[in-house]
Order: sequence, then structure tokens, then C-alpha cells
Amino acid sequence: GAVVSQHPSRVICKSGTSVKIECRSLDFQATTMFWYRQFPKQSLMLMATSNEGSKATYEQGVEKDKFLINHASLTLSTLTVTSAHPEDSSFYICSARDLRGSEQYFGPGTRLTVT
Amino acid sequence: GQNIDQPTEMTATEGAIVQINCTYQTSGFNGLFWYQQHAGEAPTFLSYNVLDGLEEKGRFSSFLSRSKGYSYLLLKELQMKDSASYLCAVLDSNYQLIWGAGTKLIIKP
Repeated sequence: GAVVSQHPSRVICKSGTSVKIECRSLDFQATTMFWYRQFPKQSLMLMATSNEGSKATYEQGVEKDKFLINHASLTLSTLTVTSAHPEDSSFYICSARDLRGSEQYFGPGTRLTVT
Repeated sequence: GQNIDQPTEMTATEGAIVQINCTYQTSGFNGLFWYQQHAGEAPTFLSYNVLDGLEEKGRFSSFLSRSKGYSYLLLKELQMKDSASYLCAVLDSNYQLIWGAGTKLIIKP
């Protein structure tokens, strides 16, 4: 089956610093990748949709200058949380959709804690 | 607006059967997914329905009625490891996934 990896799985950073999270599709090419955020006991919230080689589309209320997304290749997308604050602490999950189908394959998630 | 409804929480007994319902109102329909999510982990794919009817996969089955905007996930022979949240999601006309809030399933011995 299709595999999506995320790195790092956990990260703790200080307030004001930036953190980069990588999402890779390991055995398929992903034209579209999605970034989600999930707070405890809540459902997934779509932050943005990124298509390879073009700018990401952000959902309403998500600051594009704070959450920088780069989808430079068909197998890699990165999310950079800039000037992180404690309220950015959350579980960040990426998913990827391959060229053929409509199913999304999820990465294992990255737990970000901002102190 | 687009809306996915599913119960917030359900409780069932080990070895029993449980049905988790999902109703949806979306702009277009290109399929419905069920995902399982254990606490602190990412969702894992369970099933995909795009045509009406029942899809069976081991202990799990998923049903879809497009005319009623309704689906259910049926879990048989419940095991303690089935305790998780179950997420219903619909692929709309733009091929975007619209997510339900999830149903937390608690399995008791």
C-alpha cells in the first residue's frame, strides 16, 4: 500500500522559533498534499492544500505567512511554522493523494509542543 | 453549507456488534470514507464507498445510500483494540474531503 512519512514525529521548540515538518510519499507520486491540524479531542481541521509546483491554497482563518508550505516535488511537501507560539502546539498531519485515485494516504503525524 | 453528522460517542461490549451512522449534506459527492484513529495517532483508512450498497471487509462493513445521504460503519466481534475514534469523510465535487467530527467508540469488557 501507499506509504506517507512525516518527520519529525515529535518536536519541542521555544516560543518565537520556527519549525519545519516534512511530508514524503515513499512509493507513489503525489500531485496533491494536504496539511491538517488536530487539537485534542477534536476532529481534523484542514489547513491547506498544496499542489506540486504551485502555491498552496489555505483554508479560511489559516495565516499563510505563518504556516509556509512548499510542495517542491511530487514526493515532498514541507510545512514551516514560523515564529511559533504555545497556541500552535498541536498534532499536525499530512496526507497525500496519488495521480490516479481519490483516496488520501495519511502520514503518522507530528506532535508540536511550543514552550 | 456542507455538513457531516455522526454521533459523538458510543459504547459497546467486547464481542458485540456496533453500527456507527453518518449523514451528510455536501456540494457534490465523489465517495465516502471511513477512517479509524487511535488517540495520538494519525487516521488509518478503513473503507471507501462510492456506489450504493454494502462493502464487507473482514469484521468491518460499510454501507452507503446516496439518495438518503447516509452511511454506516458496522463493526462485528468487537475487540478491545477497536476502541478508537471513527471518522466519516465525504469527497465533494472539488475532490476535497469534508470531515465529520468523529465518533469515539468505547469498548467495555
